[in-house]
Amino acid sequence: SQQGEEDPQALSIQEGENATMNCSYKTSINNLQWYRQNSGRGLVHLILIRSNEREKHSGRLRVTLDTSKKSSSLLITASRAADTASYFCATDRGGNYKLSFGAGTTVTVRA
Amino acid sequence: GAVVSQHPSWVICKSGTSVKIECRSLDFQATTMFWYRQFPKQSLMLMATSNEGSKATYEQGVEKDKFLINHASLTLSTLTVTSAHPEDSSFYICSARPPLDRGYEQYFGPGTRLTVT
Repeated sequence: SQQGEEDPQALSIQEGENATMNCSYKTSINNLQWYRQNSGRGLVHLILIRSNEREKHSGRLRVTLDTSKKSSSLLITASRAADTASYFCATDRGGNYKLSFGAGTTVTVRA
Repeated sequence: GAVVSQHPSWVICKSGTSVKIECRSLDFQATTMFWYRQFPKQSLMLMATSNEGSKATYEQGVEKDKFLINHASLTLSTLTVTSAHPEDSSFYICSARPPLDRGYEQYFGPGTRLTVT
């Protein structure tokens, strides 16, 4: 079942701008993961942040995690047209490795 | 990164027929695979967890007799939609979890679009 909510639902930005999306969840987690999905395709893993971490970087991606607020954010800097996709957060509560996905944020980067 | 394939990528079938979808991990052994369903512009809903050598574990509300899962080997899981109906039309995605020493992320297949007419 879904335990996460994401906002905004949709985001339209100009190439070169930053994109920020947020994810909230309800129960304690082992880790939180962000995935990207291009239209009609499978998911690509972007970054994983463990429950004892507060911030993580990977290239143009920056993820933060606030376990006290049960929320995470994904920042994409200097966006490109190729970043146009849907982005999902997924929480892993540990034990059985099942992921619960948020509703997703659709990002459109205008050239 | 690890590669997971799905076959077919799309299928159209008539009401009442059964459809089998294959999920393969190509470069690692996966003791656990997951099957998801995704409706247009919506998130992924976990249907079941497929474990090699044992019965699948289904999420609440998922009919196990309708969605048969077989994890025949460490690299192959299949989902069979039995007696398909138009409401079963959806995008089905599998994922595989590699051994823990490769991390906690899952690797997803490209998905199978099923249309039941």
